[in-house]
This record gives sequence, C-alpha cells and structure tokens, in this order.
Amino acid sequence: EAGVAQSPRYKIIEKRQSVAFWCNPISGHATLYWYQQILGQGPKLLIQFQNNGVVDDSQLPKDRFSAERLKGVDSTLKIQPAKLEDSAVYLCASSLGGRGSSYNEQFFGPGTRLTVL
Amino acid sequence: AQSVTQLGSHVSVSEGALVLLRCNYSSSVPPYLFWYVQYPNQGLQLLLKYTTGATLVKGINGFEAEFKKSETSFHLTKPSAHMSDAAEYFCAANSGGYQKVTFGTGTKLQVIP
Repeated sequence: EAGVAQSPRYKIIEKRQSVAFWCNPISGHATLYWYQQILGQGPKLLIQFQNNGVVDDSQLPKDRFSAERLKGVDSTLKIQPAKLEDSAVYLCASSLGGRGSSYNEQFFGPGTRLTVL
Repeated sequence: AQSVTQLGSHVSVSEGALVLLRCNYSSSVPPYLFWYVQYPNQGLQLLLKYTTGATLVKGINGFEAEFKKSETSFHLTKPSAHMSDAAEYFCAANSGGYQKVTFGTGTKLQVIP
C-alpha cells in the first residue's frame, strides 16, 4: 500500500513570503494531521482533520497559518507571511480514525523541510 | 494536560551493547503509548505500541518496551545495538479516540563501532 505523500520535500523562502505544502494521505484514512517539527524538538500538532472537518487546531497560529482538506482526501497547509521561526520540518500523517478506533496509529510522510531566510 | 518526558536527548552505546531509552508519561488515565524512530530526512516510523493487554510489547528491529503503570514509564530496550539503529527515537502518548498524540522531545541514539 502506498504511504503518505508530501511535496515539496524542501523549500527555501525569504521572510514575509508565502508557501504551501501538500499532503496525500493513505487511501481510506479518515484522519489527517499536520505537525511542525523544529530542530531538536518533537513533533507539535498544528491541525487534525477528521474527513474534511477540523478536530483540533488549537496550536495553529491562525494569523499566518491555514489548512484545508479538499473533499476529505488531500490537504494543503499554507503559511502567509512566513517568519524566521517557521523554519522547521512539516510532517503530514494519517490514520484510519473514526469514533470506533481505540487509538490513533499514525503513518507519517517524509516531511517538507522549510527554511525561512 | 498530557505530557511525555524523554530523559537524555543524546545516548551513545557501543555496537552490541544494551540500548535503553527512557520515557515517562503524565496522564490521569492510562494512555496508549508509542515509540517511533526517525532516520535523517525521513518521517517517523512506528516501532511498537502499547494499547491494552500484555505490558511487555515487542516491536520491529528487535526493540521492545515495557509499560509500568506504577512508574508511569514506557522505556525502550534492545539487547544488542546495531549500527543501523542510529537514529532519533520519539516516545508518544494518546488517550484514545480523537485525543491528540503528544510527543516527547526525542532521544538521538549514537552507536559506536
């Protein structure tokens, strides 16, 4: 089975520019996550979707970050405008999800490494 | 709020030696617990998980972890380290359902030949 796909793998931009990341989850996975992983830290959840609805976006900086999940499948994460402190790896993950799930085993994509200059 | 603590951001072991990576969680209810491994420039890969039942969990690549409720710990071990085990390891906890997964800060494992 194909894994979680992300693009681009690397992106370098200047501060105040905009950037977008794309994620294609594993087919049939209802739950999709975006994480931010700053160097030397564990992944931090930015937003969690269940199908095309938002379950948790409490740690998403909504003044500059936005995310959508088109038709409950693919997802894009946008930063506008970017700041130096946004330099990080952005990881997408998916899980089967659903209220009957006893736990959320997540499958991760390779990530997008963003450098803001 | 749930938290996960990993003691030691860097651990070095000799090839063939025991690997022990420590993880403690803070939760009002027994959570679901995970260990992930991350190789350079790659995403996280699940090593093993504890949900219910047997407290000693075996995972891939010879790793195992034991859930100790009394110590709120879920330490990761491997009897004999291989060079290929050099990576960063993350412990994570989830209280089930839609509850978000909380990750520790990670432990980088170095294996010395």
